[in-house]
Amino acid sequence: DAKTTQPNSMESNEEEPVHLPCNHSTISGTDYIHWYRQLPSQGPEYVIHGLTSNVNNRMASLAIAEDRKSSTLILHRATLRDAAVYYCILRGGISNFGNEKLTFGTGTRLTIIP
Amino acid sequence: EAQVTQNPRYLITVTGKKLTVTCSQNMNHEYMSWYRQDPGLGLRQIYYSMNVEVTDKGDVPEGYKVSRKEKRNFPLILESPSPNQTSLYFCASSFQRGYNEQFFGPGTRLTVL
Repeated sequence: DAKTTQPNSMESNEEEPVHLPCNHSTISGTDYIHWYRQLPSQGPEYVIHGLTSNVNNRMASLAIAEDRKSSTLILHRATLRDAAVYYCILRGGISNFGNEKLTFGTGTRLTIIP
Repeated sequence: EAQVTQNPRYLITVTGKKLTVTCSQNMNHEYMSWYRQDPGLGLRQIYYSMNVEVTDKGDVPEGYKVSRKEKRNFPLILESPSPNQTSLYFCASSFQRGYNEQFFGPGTRLTVL
């Protein structure tokens, strides 16, 4: 199974941009890169996903390296409500018969400093 | 409202007493999954189901059973719970294919004495 590697923790000042890295050197050509976050005392929630091109949505941006072996989740202006654990995972392919086992790991705990 | 529901939300039980945690989704998703979350170990997948009557093991399936008789329901069964199954459990669902996001339930906190 393709795995991801993230730093255990990061800190950022409020109202500044945050760049959360993720390494996935064994990614396959059809794996999508997904990011989820888990706020305190809640279940994980979807943030963003991408395949090859950079992606933007109302929550964040996702920058994907050209070789797809790493990606960065960008929070453009962090607020205290962005303090959470962020998970980067790979979700296989386009086949209904592909391996759908998903590995979340321990994620990155983001602390926002007021 | 599109949602994943889990019941019960909290459960305290004793070793060896069979229990079932229910999970239901109203989004017609094919894919459903169970995870457990423990301090320092992150979120680990227990079992997943690609569709009705199709289930497979995740990373930590020992001590658990699942069934998928209907598309909307995916119960997690602990035939003989042990204290090491004390954990926070999450159910999730999504459409198949890699570009689909998973929707998570609110979690079930299980304590096995």
